[in-house]
Amino acid sequence: KAGVTQTPRYLIKTRGQQVTLSCSPISGHRSVSWYQQTPGQGLQFLFEYFSETQRNKGNFPGRFSGRQFSNSRSEMNVSTLELGDSALYLCASSSGVQGAGYGYTFGSGTRLTVV
Amino acid sequence: AQSVTQLGSHVSVSEGALVLLRCNYSSSVPPYLFWYVQYPNQGLQLLLKYTSAATLVKGINGFEAEFKKSETSFHLTKPSAHMSDAAEYFCAVSDYGGSQGNLIFGKGTKLSVKP
Repeated sequence: KAGVTQTPRYLIKTRGQQVTLSCSPISGHRSVSWYQQTPGQGLQFLFEYFSETQRNKGNFPGRFSGRQFSNSRSEMNVSTLELGDSALYLCASSSGVQGAGYGYTFGSGTRLTVV
Repeated sequence: AQSVTQLGSHVSVSEGALVLLRCNYSSSVPPYLFWYVQYPNQGLQLLLKYTSAATLVKGINGFEAEFKKSETSFHLTKPSAHMSDAAEYFCAVSDYGGSQGNLIFGKGTKLSVKP
């Protein structure tokens, strides 16, 4: 069973640009969540998508957005990049349905550096 | 609001010694609790999860954790440390049944293992 795939693994962008990150969940999983990991703030929840709908949202500015496609693949977008957006972005996939299995499987992440 | 506190940002043990990583949680509802491990430049790997089935949970790589409601704790232990256990460990809580919503993470504990 293939794991969670995140692309690209590394990305360097300039301040003011925008970026799109991609996540392919485990086959059959309908929930995809996104997290930002930084040395200062640790792991913070961005948002969760289930069946193409945003179901939960963390406390991030509107520059951070996401979407999910009918095949459950998800993308997140960050517009007008700031230096502080440099981080490891992790996505996690789960069944999304209570009782259908617990736990979240994480991808290896996308390391974004903003210069 | 839910929260997780991991006592000790760095723990150092000798190879063969007991590993004890501490986690205390705060939750207004029966929690779902998780321990994840992260190796350098990697994503998060699930070690074990508590979903109310049993208070003593066994995970991968010889790790186990005990849920103690009275102490609101979910400490991670391993009887004998191995060099390969050196990594960062994260405790997390979810109140959505563990299959949806967001995880709240602790700040992490970096485990060093001395030969």
